[in-house]
Amino acid sequence: KQEVTQIPAALSVPEGENLVLNCSFTDSAIYNLQWFRQDPGKGLTSLLLIQSSQREQTSGRLNASLDKSSGRSTLYIAASQPGDSATYLCAVTNTGNQFYFGTGTSLTVIP
Amino acid sequence: KAGVTQTPRYLIKTRGQQVTLSCSPISGHRSVSWYQQTPGQGLQFLFEYFSETQRNKGNFPGRFSGRQFSNSRSEMNVSTLELGDSALYLCASSLLPAPGTPYQETQYFGPGTRLLVL
Repeated sequence: KQEVTQIPAALSVPEGENLVLNCSFTDSAIYNLQWFRQDPGKGLTSLLLIQSSQREQTSGRLNASLDKSSGRSTLYIAASQPGDSATYLCAVTNTGNQFYFGTGTSLTVIP
Repeated sequence: KAGVTQTPRYLIKTRGQQVTLSCSPISGHRSVSWYQQTPGQGLQFLFEYFSETQRNKGNFPGRFSGRQFSNSRSEMNVSTLELGDSALYLCASSLLPAPGTPYQETQYFGPGTRLLVL
């Protein structure tokens, strides 16, 4: 069974700092990996989707990388802002349309 | 284009009751998935429907069931509610790739239904 782990569980940084969130998964036979953001009490917002054949995706200040063979992905956030404070989740799909979610990293950006 | 909508947004029930949650996907999306989110277990997959058929199912008891209508709207039902069923229930919709295309599409999530079982 696919297991997805995210480290660290919580992170607090001053505004303007660059940061990296980590995601690891046990079964490398994935179709894709997706990073989401969740604000308290709300649903999930998709940030980046990386197909299994891709190595990275970029959107604005966000860059996600994927190393399928080692079962790892990182989400890099440049020049963090207080509005980036949220829980970040990574999820992978093996077959069909079922996502396996990580435990999440709670990010706080201090003004 | 309107996003994924879920109703109701909040619900309070008592043990033993049953509940039905509704999800309307983004127009044109035919795949609908349901997830349960709790502080202890995180986000767990319940099931996925496509063209009114359940294609994938997570590891939940038979008290959890669902269905999808011809307009792709989906409902999820939980019978004989237990305290542990208190959670945020999230619905997600996505396009499916064309036949022969290996890529999967992004899942778009609704705001969720927060269920409290007393």
